[in-house]
Amino acid sequence: EPEVTQTPSHQVTQMGQEVILRCVPISNHLYFYWYRQILGQKVEFLVSFYNNEISEKSEIFDDQFSVERPDGSNFTLKIRSTKLEDSAMYFCASRPGLLESNYGYTFGSGTRLTVV
Amino acid sequence: QKEVEQNSGPLSVPEGAIASLNCTYSDRGSQSFFWYRQYSGKSPELIMSIYSNGDKEDGRFTAQLNKASQYVSLLIRDSQPSDSATYLCAVNRFFWNNDMRFGAGTRLTVKP
Repeated sequence: EPEVTQTPSHQVTQMGQEVILRCVPISNHLYFYWYRQILGQKVEFLVSFYNNEISEKSEIFDDQFSVERPDGSNFTLKIRSTKLEDSAMYFCASRPGLLESNYGYTFGSGTRLTVV
Repeated sequence: QKEVEQNSGPLSVPEGAIASLNCTYSDRGSQSFFWYRQYSGKSPELIMSIYSNGDKEDGRFTAQLNKASQYVSLLIRDSQPSDSATYLCAVNRFFWNNDMRFGAGTRLTVKP
């Protein structure tokens, strides 16, 4: 069964450092997402990406965050200057085209980001 | 007002019983509704999707949707200990807006 792949599984970084979280969505999917889940809290939407541009972002996704699809397969989330409160599990997700809007997203296994 | 609300639980049922999980949403224009299961430390896993009023059954799972009441539920029949997890309700707000918002989840424990 096709998978969404995320790397690394765990990233530890010092406060103020830049991190890049990587995702390989399912190959024929068109919509890509980043969500985060702080330990013990709900899954929160960060950003959606379609046709090589951001289609929607939440209030969490401020200037410290950026996304990119540098080639035909990878989808990255960059945090420029990490803060302690960025510590969370970050999930990448993808889904097929808009006509299949009733299909749920497929989530990757997540990257646990720890900012120290 | 929270976009998607769930009773946080924890909900505990004996093995073999029916577990009932509930969710309400605030945006009347919401189009698609999903139930995800999340084991501790793992990513959400899709169980059911529903977009029309009424019931939708898949094995031991039944999703129920009532758009007039802005209410969606999940029934798990013949609950098993392996069903113990957090169940997340998720809603696609609008057809043309393709992001999905989650509730906080209901933690379910099925006791042998």
